Parts: sequence; structure tokens; C-alpha cells
Amino acid sequence: DTGVSQDPRHKITKRGQNVTFRCDPISEHNRLYWYRQTLGQGPEFLTYFQNEAQLEKSRLLSDRFSAERPKGSFSTLEIQRTEQGDSAMYLCASSLPDRLGRSNQPQHFGDGTRLSIL
Amino acid sequence: GEDVEQSLFLSVREGDSSVINCTYTDSSSTYLYWYKQEPGAGLQLLTYIFSNMDMKQDQRLTVLLNKKDKHLSLRIADTQTGDSAIYFCAEDMGTYKYIFGTGTRLKVLA
Repeated sequence: DTGVSQDPRHKITKRGQNVTFRCDPISEHNRLYWYRQTLGQGPEFLTYFQNEAQLEKSRLLSDRFSAERPKGSFSTLEIQRTEQGDSAMYLCASSLPDRLGRSNQPQHFGDGTRLSIL
Repeated sequence: GEDVEQSLFLSVREGDSSVINCTYTDSSSTYLYWYKQEPGAGLQLLTYIFSNMDMKQDQRLTVLLNKKDKHLSLRIADTQTGDSAIYFCAEDMGTYKYIFGTGTRLKVLA
């Protein structure tokens, strides 16, 4: 059994370029989350999917950011026209729903994609 | 408001107990979590506690929750060098997102 898988582990790009990250959740998990973590801080919520539906987006997710989960399995997070402030670790997590439909099943995290903007 | 606070550093000697503290502000939290992060890695779930519980024990880990004071603690018994990492508490308010603290860096001295 594999955990949450993220690709690539590291991405270095020039300012202004577009980048795309991929997350493969644990196979039976229908909920998927993206977080951003900057140096010395805890993760901050970006967005959440239940199956293929994107149900919540943080104010941190500017219009340069887009996340998709087209078939309810893997997800991609794209950042267009990257800026220096986008440098961070992007973490993906997944979870099972509980029987009552509330999100109190723990979120399991991948190892993240570290983005560095030159 | 949403705010989770932790002290930044903790240093203990190998074999001693470590106690990592966390305070949160939102009384509607349903579950509270402890995660461990090693350098360059993601977050590893350690344990969690439902808000109507006072204590949970899991092997070397003991979680204490004081809901009145909105205070959560994680005690690690017989701390080992492999426990050196950053520890995050997080609250789940049932809105699908977790609110994380800034993390406590635990250093275990041999």
C-alpha cells in the first residue's frame, strides 16, 4: 500500500514561468487537499476536492492558481506566471469521509513539492 | 478567529520526557491533531483526539486536552534522537481544512 504521492519533489523555475504539480492520493480516499507551507510556518489550506468536485478554495488561491481533479483520482495544481512569493512547499493530503459525511477522518500527507523561483 | 500557537523550540535529553504545548482559539474545533515533520519531508500523522475527550494514550505518546483553556499537549515518553523533528498541532473545525500551528522544533540531545 502506498501513501500520498507527489511529483516532482523539487521544481526550480524562473519567474514568470508556469508550473504544474501532481498528487496521487491513497487509492480509496475520495477527499483531496492542497496546502502551502513556507519556511518556518505551518501548512496553510489552499483548496479541497471531494471526488472531482472542488468544494472550497482559500483566499490564498489567487487567479494564477488552478487545481483540478478531473476523474476524482489524481489532482494537479498549476501556477501561472510564477512570482518570487510562490516559493514554498506545496503539500497534498487525502482522507476518507466518515459515515456521517463530516471531515473527521485524519488527513494523510505526501512529501510535498518544493518550488523555488529564481 | 482562527489561530493556533506553539512555542518554537524545545530541547530535551535522550530518555527524558518531552512535552509540546499548543493553544487554539476556536471552541468549535471537533478534532485536534499532532503531526511530525522531518527535514525535507511531508507531515506524518502521529495521533489525534476528539474534542469531547480529555486524554488519549498511544504507546509513548500521551495527548492531553483542556477544552476550557483551549490547551492541547503532546507528551513523548523516553524521547529518542529519532524523535528530533518539527511537531505541528492542527485543529479541524469541520470545514474540511485544518488550521496548523507554526510548529515546535524538538531537539533531542544524546
